[in-house]
Amino acid sequence: QQKVQQSPESLIVPEGGMASLNCTSSDRNVDYFWWYRQHSGKSPKMLMSIFSNGEKEEGRFTVHLNKASLHTSLHIRDSQPSDSALYLCAASLIANSGTYQRFGTGTKLQVVP
Amino acid sequence: GGIITQTPKFLIGQEGQKLTLKCQQNFNHDTMYWYRQDSGKGLRLIYYSITENDLQKGDLSEGYDASREKKSSFSLTVTSAQKNEMAVFLCASSMWFYAEQFFGPGTRLTVL
Repeated sequence: QQKVQQSPESLIVPEGGMASLNCTSSDRNVDYFWWYRQHSGKSPKMLMSIFSNGEKEEGRFTVHLNKASLHTSLHIRDSQPSDSALYLCAASLIANSGTYQRFGTGTKLQVVP
Repeated sequence: GGIITQTPKFLIGQEGQKLTLKCQQNFNHDTMYWYRQDSGKGLRLIYYSITENDLQKGDLSEGYDASREKKSSFSLTVTSAQKNEMAVFLCASSMWFYAEQFFGPGTRLTVL
C-alpha cells in the first residue's frame, strides 16, 4: 500500500497560472516533509522542506503543512514552462534505526504556453 | 560542493544474473541510500546506510543486497535479475537524517 499519497497524478496548467499539488502520509510516525522536483531524464533535486505547521514561501513556491492531518501542499504561482517536471513528496519516517524519507508516486506537472 | 557518481550508467544483464551497481560520493556525507524508480514513477527505497558498515532495509529490499565498506561508497547487488526489474536505480546521500538528499545521475538497468 502507498503510504505517501500524492494527488493529482498529473496536472496541466497554463503559463502564468497557479499549480497546486497535494501530499498526505498515512503513517503517523512522520515529522518532516520534503518536496523534490525531477525534470525529465534528470535526477531529483530538493525544492523545499517543512516541519512546522503553517506556511513557508520561497519565491514563486509556497508549501503548507497541517501536522494534525499529515497533509502538505505545494503551490506554484506564475507557473513557467520550465516548471514542467515530476514533483515528488517525501515524508521523513521515524524508524528504530533513525529516520528515512519515504517518497510518494509523484505528480507530473505540465505548464503549457 | 560535491558530486555523486554512479557506475555503470547503463547495465544490461540476463535474467537470473547477479549484477552490481556502484555509487561514490565526495560530500563526506554519513548517510547513503539506494532507490529504484520505474518509468515516470516515484522512488522506492531499497537500502540505506547510516554510516560505514551499517545497512538498513527499505521497503523494497527483497532480491537485493547492499554493501557499505567505506564512508564514500555504497554498492547494490541485484541477486537474480528479473525482467520486471527494468528501472533506473538512483543513489543518494545526505549529511544526516533531516538533511536534504543529493542524488546521483542513476544507473539504467535492462534485463534481457
